[in-house]
Amino acid sequence: EVHLVESGGGLVQPGGSLRLSCAASGFTFSSYEMNWVRQAPGKGLEWLSYINSGGDTIYYADSVRGRFTISRDNAKSSLYLQMNSLRAEDTAVYYCARDRAMGGYWGQGTLVTVSS
Amino acid sequence: DIQMTQSPSSLSASVGDRVTITCRASQDISNYLAWFQHKPGKAPNCLIYGASSLQPGVPSKFSGSGSGTDFTLTVTSLQPEDFATYYCLQYISYPYTFGQGTKLEIK
Repeated sequence: EVHLVESGGGLVQPGGSLRLSCAASGFTFSSYEMNWVRQAPGKGLEWLSYINSGGDTIYYADSVRGRFTISRDNAKSSLYLQMNSLRAEDTAVYYCARDRAMGGYWGQGTLVTVSS
Repeated sequence: DIQMTQSPSSLSASVGDRVTITCRASQDISNYLAWFQHKPGKAPNCLIYGASSLQPGVPSKFSGSGSGTDFTLTVTSLQPEDFATYYCLQYISYPYTFGQGTKLEIK
């Protein structure tokens, strides 16, 4: 059975950094494209970033480009999102999602709160 | 970037009703359109991909149509578990963009 489990969320001060992880199991992680999506409180879904199976093709939303970095470790079946220069508006639940169009599997999300 | 305009932003309906949600893209996206259902505290669930293809395991009460710039999601015979927020997503080009969502509430 496919599982995606996010971790690493928490409370961080504005300007701080956080690294989110998404642990994958139940499928051959190295064969699949992955995405990060978030939902801020009271707001809609926002796509953030994509990485292909080999990790050499990456895209970002304008809102996070230059501050967030997506990466993966296929040997560890893990996806990461390094978040720097965090702002209050980055407060959200962050999800990892499998596949180019995210039609299959999502994690349950991890909450990031940016506040002083 | 491609903008996705979803309407209505909220919708009140009764159990047993049929509802339709629309999504308009700011440019031609062919059929690279998906629909998601999202409930509080849960992961989003993909209902439709390719504008009209039902995701495996999704009941046939959900249907999608459209191509190019105009798309619709129809839900028939509403049940209590269908009341949620629905989003469209274009995935023809990056950055991917979601519609702003339609909150379907019980009347």
